[in-house]
Amino acid sequence: DSGVTQTPKHLITATGQRVTLRCSPRSGDLSVYWYQQSLDQGLQFLIQYYNGEERAKGNILERFSAQQFPDLHSELNLSSLELGDSALYFCASSRGLLPGTRNSPLHFGNGTRLTVT
Amino acid sequence: GIQVEQSPPDLILQEGANSTLRCNFSDSVNNLQWFHQNPWGQLINLFYIPSGTKQNGRLSATTVATERYSLLNISSSQTTDSGVYFCAVAGGNQGGKLIFGQGTELSVKP
Repeated sequence: DSGVTQTPKHLITATGQRVTLRCSPRSGDLSVYWYQQSLDQGLQFLIQYYNGEERAKGNILERFSAQQFPDLHSELNLSSLELGDSALYFCASSRGLLPGTRNSPLHFGNGTRLTVT
Repeated sequence: GIQVEQSPPDLILQEGANSTLRCNFSDSVNNLQWFHQNPWGQLINLFYIPSGTKQNGRLSATTVATERYSLLNISSSQTTDSGVYFCAVAGGNQGGKLIFGQGTELSVKP
């Protein structure tokens, strides 16, 4: 068990809808990262939050947004969903600003599988 | 940005065989990690190894930063080693952005 909790495990929704994915980081970790894994794009970094503030941004669509709350849990909001948004969405956490260090590697949750029909 | 290439793209082994997976990267990095994604989709961190050599049981990893490659060695492979192995890197100015390779899909047959 990595200690990173993601809910829900599975989500099936229709095109045009909006969903929220939730992530609780490992105890003591201040950074949360969101990744998207799809068959054609592989594992793509979306965004990083550190102690409530956005710190790094990757290939995140404008229809997607995220935030990190004072209790350090994070939510990824996906809106106006399209078929191509179907993917496995991972959350990861790390102690500090960097995505893993010698003493504290990056740990991933089990992912949320999103299916858009 | 940094490009990450992994080889081979897939590999089939008999149980007990050894294998070496390679990760080439296009620029200097200060963060390199190997992950295993098991058949259930879970991503497990294997090594944090921006340079040098590490061993953990039947697995070992070596990164030669000056030549921009890393190797993951699996010895005496078991069926539970099946899955996809990813190399991920970050450079000095990448901050929290870890770039993943496309992975090597390993299948170990009994």
